[in-house]
Amino acid sequence: DQQVKQNSPSLSVQEGRISILNCDYTNSMFDYFLWYKKYPAEGPTFLISISSIKDKNEDGRFTVFLNKSAKHLSLHIVPSQPGDSAVYFCVAGGTSYGKLTFGQGTILTVHP
Amino acid sequence: EAQVTQNPRYLITVTGKKLTVTCSQNMNHEYMSWYRQDPGLGLRQIYYSMNVEVTDKGDVPEGYKVSRKEKRNFPLILESPSPNQTSLYFCASRGGIDNQPQHFGDGTRLSIL
Repeated sequence: DQQVKQNSPSLSVQEGRISILNCDYTNSMFDYFLWYKKYPAEGPTFLISISSIKDKNEDGRFTVFLNKSAKHLSLHIVPSQPGDSAVYFCVAGGTSYGKLTFGQGTILTVHP
Repeated sequence: EAQVTQNPRYLITVTGKKLTVTCSQNMNHEYMSWYRQDPGLGLRQIYYSMNVEVTDKGDVPEGYKVSRKEKRNFPLILESPSPNQTSLYFCASRGGIDNQPQHFGDGTRLSIL
C-alpha cells in the first residue's frame, strides 16, 4: 500500500519554464512533508519542507504547496535550470518524525 | 565537514554469508535511520533510532538487524542475506529538534547472489 504517491515517473521541461511535480498521500496522520532531490551515485539532499499548518512555503526558486483537504502537495521550480535535472522524492512524516514515507520519485529533465 | 559515511560503497556477496554495513555521522545527531531504494518503490525505511539504545522498525525490517551502542554509529546487519535484499542502501541522520531534515550518506550497493 503506497501511502505517498508520485504518479508521474518523469517530467521534461524547457530551461526557464516552470516545473511542477505532484504528490498525493493517503494517511491523514502525516503532518510534515519534505522534498528531496537526488543525483546519480549520491544520497538524497533536502530541498524544502512544509508543515501541515501551512499551505505554502517558498525558498528561492522552489515553492511547495499543500492542499490538506485533497491530500495533495506540489513542488514548483521556477525558472527551471539544467542543474535541476535529478530525481525528486516527496516525503511524508508524522508528529514524532521517527518514521518517514517516501514516494516513488519523479525524474525531472530540464532541457537547455 | 558534516558527513554521513557508509562503508562499504559496493559489495557483492553470496546468500547466507553474514554482512554488516557501517554508518557513521560526525554531527552529534540523535536520530539515525536506514533505507533501501528499489526501482519504482522510492526509498523505504528499514529501521530508525531516536537515540542511543533506542531503535524501532520502519516499513521493511524483515531480514535486518541494527544496533545503536554509541551516538555516531548505526550499523545495519544482514545475518543471513538473501537475493531479495539486493538493493541500494542509504543511511541518514538528523538532529534532535523535530522536523529537521535528514542528511544522507552516498549509499551502499549490495548484490546478494
